[in-house]
Amino acid sequence: GQSLEQPSEVTAVEGAIVQINCTYQTSGFYGLSWYQQHDGGAPTFLSYNALDGLEETGRFSSFLSRSDSYGYLLLQELQMKDSASYFCAVRSSSGGYNKLIFGAGTRLAVHP
Amino acid sequence: ETGVTQSPTHLIKTRGQQVTLRCSSQSGHNTVSWYQQALGQGPQFIFQYYREEENGRGNFPPRFSGLQFPNYSSELNVNALELDDSALYLCASSPYAGVNTGELFFGEGSRLTVL
Repeated sequence: GQSLEQPSEVTAVEGAIVQINCTYQTSGFYGLSWYQQHDGGAPTFLSYNALDGLEETGRFSSFLSRSDSYGYLLLQELQMKDSASYFCAVRSSSGGYNKLIFGAGTRLAVHP
Repeated sequence: ETGVTQSPTHLIKTRGQQVTLRCSSQSGHNTVSWYQQALGQGPQFIFQYYREEENGRGNFPPRFSGLQFPNYSSELNVNALELDDSALYLCASSPYAGVNTGELFFGEGSRLTVL
């Protein structure tokens, strides 16, 4: 089967750095994506890692270790608008076709 | 460039009824995926359509069915509604190559309440 684990909630203050971890189990692994979803909104794509290492996009960075089946999303210089749910998602060919499977999400609360 | 649009945005049904949800994919995208998102949970993969053919299905019963049309728009049909079907239904499109980057473009969703 497939499974993803990420913390349910994280709290931080403005200006701080927060790391959201994700561990996964799947066959036919291609890569790990991260999505942000504000309450009542659509999930929006943040990043994708197919290879080991760190990908940086502005204040957000994402890391993948394929050998450890582990990744994380790093958010720097936190702003109030970063309060949202963050989902890791594996792209997998399990079952014979490409699909994106999401974790349960991490709710990030940023406080002044 | 028009993004992914879904209709209706909200609807209320009773147990046993049937519902049809609609999705217009982003221009140039030929792959559509449907997800069910219960409150406080992550999106659960229902199925995926590529060029009018279902090419992947998650762990959902056959009463969940879909269609994709020649213009790549799509429908999700749910028969014999159950209370547990209450959720946000998300449509996501991508150019087929987009699946290889892990990037999907989501609509705002259709919020279904089953009473």
